[in-house]
Amino acid sequence: EDQVTQSPEALRLQEGESSSLNCSYTVSGLRGLFWYRQDPGKGPEFLFTLYSAGEEKEKERLKATLTKKESFLHITAPKPEDSATYLCAVHQGAQKLVFGQGTRLTINP
Amino acid sequence: EAQVTQNPRYLITVTGKKLTVTCSQNMNHEYMSWYRQDPGLGLRQIYYSMNVEVTDKGDVPEGYKVSRKEKRNFPLILESPSPNQTSLYFCASSYRGVAYGYTFGSGTRLTVV
Repeated sequence: EDQVTQSPEALRLQEGESSSLNCSYTVSGLRGLFWYRQDPGKGPEFLFTLYSAGEEKEKERLKATLTKKESFLHITAPKPEDSATYLCAVHQGAQKLVFGQGTRLTINP
Repeated sequence: EAQVTQNPRYLITVTGKKLTVTCSQNMNHEYMSWYRQDPGLGLRQIYYSMNVEVTDKGDVPEGYKVSRKEKRNFPLILESPSPNQTSLYFCASSYRGVAYGYTFGSGTRLTVV
């Protein structure tokens, strides 16, 4: 069965303390891996799409990387406004995205 | 402003009373989809539509109906809501499909008592 597992479930960092979020997947025929950010009370916001192992994408303090079995979202020198839930999703086939359960990130000032 | 608009934001209803959650997008996107988000289960796809008059089931379609009569609108219909449909619902749209990245609406929190 295709699965997407994110870890940790929750992560609390101090402002400026860099770290990484993990998304591991077991999908046959990956057609794309997506990262979204979700703030409380809002819909998810699209961040990145990665298509092949070795690919990297960056946006401000975020960098997403992809291997054949997992993706990492690296957060460098985070600020309190980076606090959110980060969702990973894989494009499984046809028009279907399978989402992980998310990592709730809190950045303390 | 490019956006997906859902209404209502909050809804409390009783078991069996038919309801419709509306979704409209102003980006001329071909693809639209409905998800529900539940604690511990994440986002799960209910239905999706590749274009006008083209709809298909997602992972959890039971108890829901959709229609796509116009490109901009994709309403979600609960003919006879039950308490297990209490959830946070999101509508999303994309240029041509999931590979292009979704724009999500702000969500509809539905409570069925």
